[in-house]
Amino acid sequence: KAGVTQTPRYLIKTRGQQVTLSCSPISGHRSVSWYQQTPGQGLQFLFEYFSETQRNKGNFPGRFSGRQFSNSRSEMNVSTLELGDSALYLCASSLASLPEGGTQYFGPGTRLTVL
Amino acid sequence: AQSVSQHNHHVILSEAASLELGCNYSYGGTVNLFWYVQYPGQHLQLLLKYFSGDPLVKGIKGFEAEFIKSKFSFNLRKPSVQWSDTAEYFCAVNVLGGGADGLTFGKGTHLIIQP
Repeated sequence: KAGVTQTPRYLIKTRGQQVTLSCSPISGHRSVSWYQQTPGQGLQFLFEYFSETQRNKGNFPGRFSGRQFSNSRSEMNVSTLELGDSALYLCASSLASLPEGGTQYFGPGTRLTVL
Repeated sequence: AQSVSQHNHHVILSEAASLELGCNYSYGGTVNLFWYVQYPGQHLQLLLKYFSGDPLVKGIKGFEAEFIKSKFSFNLRKPSVQWSDTAEYFCAVNVLGGGADGLTFGKGTHLIIQP
């Protein structure tokens, strides 16, 4: 089975712009979660989608949003970019949702740099 | 909210040495526990997981971990490390029935194996 794929792999944006990241889960997986990884804060949970519904949300501002499509592919959007949004954004997929005990498999990430 | 503590941020060992990385979590309810590994230039990979049953779980590449409920610990071990084990190791916890925090990660342990 193909793993989790994320596009693009690298992105450079300027402050104030918005960005959309894409994630394709492992075939058959209905849960997609997004995480932000930075050297200072480590890995932090953004949100989880399961069957097109947001199930859980981490402690991030409303500028961070997402959605999931009927084929389980997911997109994450960050509006009004700030310098502090520079990070590696990871997508993870699982068969079951997190509260139901899903095991998450991670993609390679999208490296976002905000100038 | 649950939290995960990894006691060693940087560990340097020689090949063939034994390894033990500590991990403690704060939540007292039902949890699933994971160790992930991030090799240089690669994405986060699942090393092993504990859901229930035998508290000693075996993972890939000769790694194992022991769940001690009374100590809220899930330490990772390997009897003899190799140069190729050089990587960042992350302990993570998922609260069943919860979800607001998603998968909660420790800050990671950077392991360097000297040949």
